[in-house]
Amino acid sequence: NAGVTQTPKFRILKIGQSMTLQCTQDMNHNYMYWYRQDPGMGLKLIYYSVGAGITDKGEVPNGYNVSRSTTEDFPLRLELAAPSQTSVYFCASSPALGGETQYFGPGTRLLVL
Amino acid sequence: EDQVTQSPEALRLQEGESSSLNCSYTVSGLRGLFWYRQDPGKGPEFLFTLYSAGEEKEKERLKATLTKKESFLHITAPKPEDSATYLCAVQNQAGTALIFGKGTTLSVSS
Repeated sequence: NAGVTQTPKFRILKIGQSMTLQCTQDMNHNYMYWYRQDPGMGLKLIYYSVGAGITDKGEVPNGYNVSRSTTEDFPLRLELAAPSQTSVYFCASSPALGGETQYFGPGTRLLVL
Repeated sequence: EDQVTQSPEALRLQEGESSSLNCSYTVSGLRGLFWYRQDPGKGPEFLFTLYSAGEEKEKERLKATLTKKESFLHITAPKPEDSATYLCAVQNQAGTALIFGKGTTLSVSS
């Protein structure tokens, strides 16, 4: 049982480049989330999904897109990378909304230069 | 507005020196308060969930308590391996996400 896995672990992008951060969970959780964590700041929600085919914006969605074609996978897409997107990105999953524990992946560190 | 504030930002302890971390929150209708541990370069690791005032939970040297406005993470006789950043979070009003505090970075020296 691997839990939540994320790839890549680290990536350097040039301004304007695009990339997809991958997230997979094997716990059969319906709910999945993407957060970003900036130094000295709390985690901020980017997007979340309540099931395959259903996604919604979080607190900081600008510059990102998501899709959810299967229960297991929830990729995060950066279309035109900007220095402000330099951060550590965490994917999480939970069995339900509203008080259920969220389980986090190991994170992807992204540097945009 | 839902908000979580943690204090202190950093705490240095000697091995065996007990202390407490504070998490104060404002949210309408608490659905759950969560404590996570985060080691450098890793994702948050779940510790506890508390749902109602007066509730307490323990795990090894850690004990979490909850009142109507704040939660405490008590660390009894800490060891160097307890060094980490401890994150507090509450469920937002819509129940769609966690609102995190900035964390308390704990350093325990032997």
